[in-house]
Amino acid sequence: QVQLQESGPGLVKASETLSLTCTVSGGSISNYYWSWIRHPPGKGLEWIGYVYYSGSTNSNPSLKSRVTISVLTSKNQFSLKLSSVTAADTAVYYCARGYSSSWFNTWGQGTLVTVSS
Amino acid sequence: QSVLTQPPSVSGAPGQRVTISCTGSSSNIGAPYDVQWYQQLPGAAPKLLIYGDTDRPSGVPDRFSGSKSGTSASLAISGLQAEDEADYYCQSYDSSLSAYVFGTGTRVTVL
Repeated sequence: QVQLQESGPGLVKASETLSLTCTVSGGSISNYYWSWIRHPPGKGLEWIGYVYYSGSTNSNPSLKSRVTISVLTSKNQFSLKLSSVTAADTAVYYCARGYSSSWFNTWGQGTLVTVSS
Repeated sequence: QSVLTQPPSVSGAPGQRVTISCTGSSSNIGAPYDVQWYQQLPGAAPKLLIYGDTDRPSGVPDRFSGSKSGTSASLAISGLQAEDEADYYCQSYDSSLSAYVFGTGTRVTVL
């Protein structure tokens, strides 16, 4: 059974770049859509973007200018970079897998990232 | 602020049937784009319950069912159990925002 695990710093300074990696185990990264979703405290879930195993990407227009999502097939990993972070980027960040770009079948456990001033 | 609106909370006694609504617009549910539902137990990641408006992934009990009409969708939970106490989110695509969007979330309480 496939499992996803997020990793990266839990504390990032304002104006710097948030970097997270999702490691996929128990399955191949091929033929799926790999997404990032976040959940700010007290707010709703927000889709950040996805990368297809081939490398094509799509991201939320509200974050597009700051988001880079990439896949590292050889390591069965994909990553998220969010630049110029502010306190509003404090959230639990989830990675997820989808058979389609339209929904998210399997999720990682999530990792809390706090942006400090 | 989400474009998909859900009631903040619903409750029911064990064994009862509860429904959660998800109200959107012509640029998302009414377009029509597929609606999905997720269950988030306390301290856990969301879990896909319903995809493509009405389909259940393998392993999801048939007590959970989805429906859609016009610009709204609903999740029904029949035979409510204590383990169903969780937050539930709907999700779709919005063509005006060009983004996948989630509902505001509904907390289900088992009395």
